[in-house]
Amino acid sequence: EVQLVESGGGLVQPGGSVRLSCAGSGLNFSSFWMHWVRQTPGRGLVWVSRIKNDESDTSYADSVKGRFTISRDKAKNTLYLQMNSLRAEDTAVYYCVRAITMITHDAFDIWGQGTMVTVSS
Amino acid sequence: SSDLTQDPAVSVALGQTVRITCQGDSLRLYYATWYQQKPGQAPVLVIYGRNSRPSGIPDRFSGSRSGNTDFLTITGAQAEDEADYYCKSRDSSGNQWVFGGGTKLTVL
Repeated sequence: EVQLVESGGGLVQPGGSVRLSCAGSGLNFSSFWMHWVRQTPGRGLVWVSRIKNDESDTSYADSVKGRFTISRDKAKNTLYLQMNSLRAEDTAVYYCVRAITMITHDAFDIWGQGTMVTVSS
Repeated sequence: SSDLTQDPAVSVALGQTVRITCQGDSLRLYYATWYQQKPGQAPVLVIYGRNSRPSGIPDRFSGSRSGNTDFLTITGAQAEDEADYYCKSRDSSGNQWVFGGGTKLTVL
């Protein structure tokens, strides 16, 4: 079965750090751009970050720039999101997503099940 | 502007046709991609590109555009289509992505 499986979420104090992992199963996502998307419970989807297939470039939402770092380990077929200086507003379900990237659009075709990060004292 | 605007809620009678809109300046450069999300589940890709559907998505789902507005049309809505629908595109810089606020579809 083709799937992405996130892990690493949990309860973290404000100002703390956590690293999310996303393992690919039944698929090799080394050729694809990968993204993180988050969703506060009961609210909409928010794009967080992207890494290109060759790791040559990353990009971030303004709200997390300078605090979050996206990376990938092709040998382990795993995507990461290092989250530092966490704030209450970072509380959300975090989804790992594979993207089919074209000039005119990007199709997020495979989503993980999500991992919940709660920032609270 | 990098915002994508969607109507918060839309309803449709069973078997009828409904059109969900997504408006934004970046849609003059990029196609919207559409996602369906049911409660407690991850989003699912339903329409991408000009009007393409992934394998497994019924052909009652289709996409179209006019100017800076993209549309998701469901022709003959079914009860299982009741869900939240999100559009997504790149922003005008091309280096960030933005989702619309989502449309809650109710099938009556």
